[in-house]
Amino acid sequence: LAKTTQPISMDSYEGQEVNITCSHNNIATNDYITWYQQFPSQGPRFIIQGYKTKVTNEVASLFIPADRKSSTLSLPRVSLSDTAVYYCLVAGSYQLTFGKGTKLSVIP
Amino acid sequence: SQTIHQWPATLVQPVGSPLSLECTVEGTSNPNLYWYRQAAGRGLQLLFYSVGIGQISSEVPQNLSASRPQDRQFILSSKKLLLSDSGFYLCAWSNSAITNEKLFFGSGTQLSVL
Repeated sequence: LAKTTQPISMDSYEGQEVNITCSHNNIATNDYITWYQQFPSQGPRFIIQGYKTKVTNEVASLFIPADRKSSTLSLPRVSLSDTAVYYCLVAGSYQLTFGKGTKLSVIP
Repeated sequence: SQTIHQWPATLVQPVGSPLSLECTVEGTSNPNLYWYRQAAGRGLQLLFYSVGIGQISSEVPQNLSASRPQDRQFILSSKKLLLSDSGFYLCAWSNSAITNEKLFFGSGTQLSVL
């Protein structure tokens, strides 16, 4: 199971673009990269998933370089409601273990 | 659509008492089921996962056990709670038919052992 490394915390002002990078040097060929968002006292919520290159949805973009050893979650124009913990998860099997996540604080 | 129910939302139990947390999923068949624990200010720790009825895999040896008596029911139990069992417990499910499946979480149970 690929281990992931993320920054513990990040601060950003409202309206800015936020990029959170996750390192996963031991990613396997069949592993996908998935990002989740968690608010206090709630379960994590799926944000985006990708395998390579770039994926975009209505909430975020996910950039994955060719070697797939890292990935970057991009949140455009964050608002106060984006303050949460963001988890990067790399898995291709049943054992889905989360890292410690990145606590994003959006400042007015 | 699929939904996941987890209860109770909050629980306060004395040390040494038993525990039973229940999770049920609706709208899907043969889901993969998971129990996670999150201690205050910490990340998510996978406790158990199940790929079918009666099939339980444990990730961390501990004071807890899990059972899956029915396809869409997952139960977390303890015979005697410890102070260290306090935390936020989350049940989750994923679609077993899809590789690299997304996880869908319940609303969680905040357990305080006193």
